[in-house]
Amino acid sequence: QKEVEQNSGPLSVPEGAIASLNCTYSDRGSQSFFWYRQYSGKSPELIMSIYSNGDKEDGRFTAQLNKASQYVSLLIRDSQPSDSATYLCAVNGFTGGGNKLTFGTGTQLKVEL
Amino acid sequence: EPEVTQTPSHQVTQMGQEVILRCVPISNHLYFYWYRQILGQKVEFLVSFYNNEISEKSEIFDDQFSVERPDGSNFTLKIRSTKLEDSAMYFCASSAGQGAADTQYFGPGTRLTVL
Repeated sequence: QKEVEQNSGPLSVPEGAIASLNCTYSDRGSQSFFWYRQYSGKSPELIMSIYSNGDKEDGRFTAQLNKASQYVSLLIRDSQPSDSATYLCAVNGFTGGGNKLTFGTGTQLKVEL
Repeated sequence: EPEVTQTPSHQVTQMGQEVILRCVPISNHLYFYWYRQILGQKVEFLVSFYNNEISEKSEIFDDQFSVERPDGSNFTLKIRSTKLEDSAMYFCASSAGQGAADTQYFGPGTRLTVL
């Protein structure tokens, strides 16, 4: 059973701080990793994707991947109240036929004024 | 910006009835997916579809479920005899390719309520 694990939170950070979200996965064959943001009652919205070990930066967001440790993280700099949402980690193993995403349960982030 | 659309946004049905959830994927995408999310739980993969065939399905996707691409734009999920436990948000997604790096873009979802 391929699993993706996240701390459900809530993670509370003050406005302007760095929020750090973490995810581990069980399948060593996983090839690509995604962070989606989900507001309550809405659909997942892609924030970042990462495929290679190391860091990938996009604006206030940085994704970090360590395949040896089976660990992926998302850093949000200068957190804003609008960043308050649930952040979903998703992993794609590419089975050769299906390309399905396996999601974690999500980490709820609260950015406080 | 192209987006995935889904109709209806909310569907209420009686247990045992059939429902069809509709999706219009992004126009140049070739790979289509259905996921569901029971309230308070994780997003779960149901099925992937390419070239008019199911590529992969989960154990949730049993005989009561079917998918179809009836024309060049729509992608549907049919639930033949709904159960109470089918109540969930159903998300359609599409991607341009099937490589592991191809991003899946999600529609706004259909909230299915089975009474």
